[in-house]
Amino acid sequence: ILNVEQSPQSLHVQEGDSTNFTCSFPSSNFYALHWYRWETAKSPEALFVMTLNGDEKKKGRISATLNTKEGYSYLYIKGSQPEDSATYLCACPNAGNNRKLIWGLGTSLAVNP
Amino acid sequence: DAGVIQSPRHEVTEMGQEVTLRCKPISGHNSLFWYRQTMMRGLELLIYFNNNVPIDDSGMPEDRFSAKMPNASFSTLKIQPSEPRDSAVYFCASSTGTLGSNQPQHFGDGTRLSIL
Repeated sequence: ILNVEQSPQSLHVQEGDSTNFTCSFPSSNFYALHWYRWETAKSPEALFVMTLNGDEKKKGRISATLNTKEGYSYLYIKGSQPEDSATYLCACPNAGNNRKLIWGLGTSLAVNP
Repeated sequence: DAGVIQSPRHEVTEMGQEVTLRCKPISGHNSLFWYRQTMMRGLELLIYFNNNVPIDDSGMPEDRFSAKMPNASFSTLKIQPSEPRDSAVYFCASSTGTLGSNQPQHFGDGTRLSIL
């Protein structure tokens, strides 16, 4: 089973700051990478699913890039707002026949007003 | 457009009791996933159904856990007998894709289970 790692574990920024965090995964047998946003007391919400090396996706102030050759994805938030406070999870399908999503432990972002 | 609906939202019960969690996936989604979330392990996949058929139950902790999907619009996760270590948040998710596909998963609000 592959290992999906996220860093940092937690992050505190001021309102208006831009920030980014990382999801690392094995580069061999890459299939797809999922990013989810998980607000406290709510359920995970899909942000992006990325499949192509060099892919870049954007949703409002949030964007993500993907490097499948070196095995990482960055999530960027431009001009963070308090409502961006959440845990951001990434996940990759496992290699081989068992393609269940393997989830990172998330980056917990707190945006201070 | 209703999302994934889970019930109950909260369940508190005593050790040894049977617990049944319910899930209604999004209409038209052919894949359903049951997850358990704990502080130590994050999100763990318990079982995955595709077209109502259990495909991967390798994440089910032990025989006390069972899941069914009698039709495309309903699934249950049952714990019998329950133990305090089963306390966690249980999520149901559905998707138009198969296991590990490039389709996003849509999550319900979860059931917060506490076993005393």
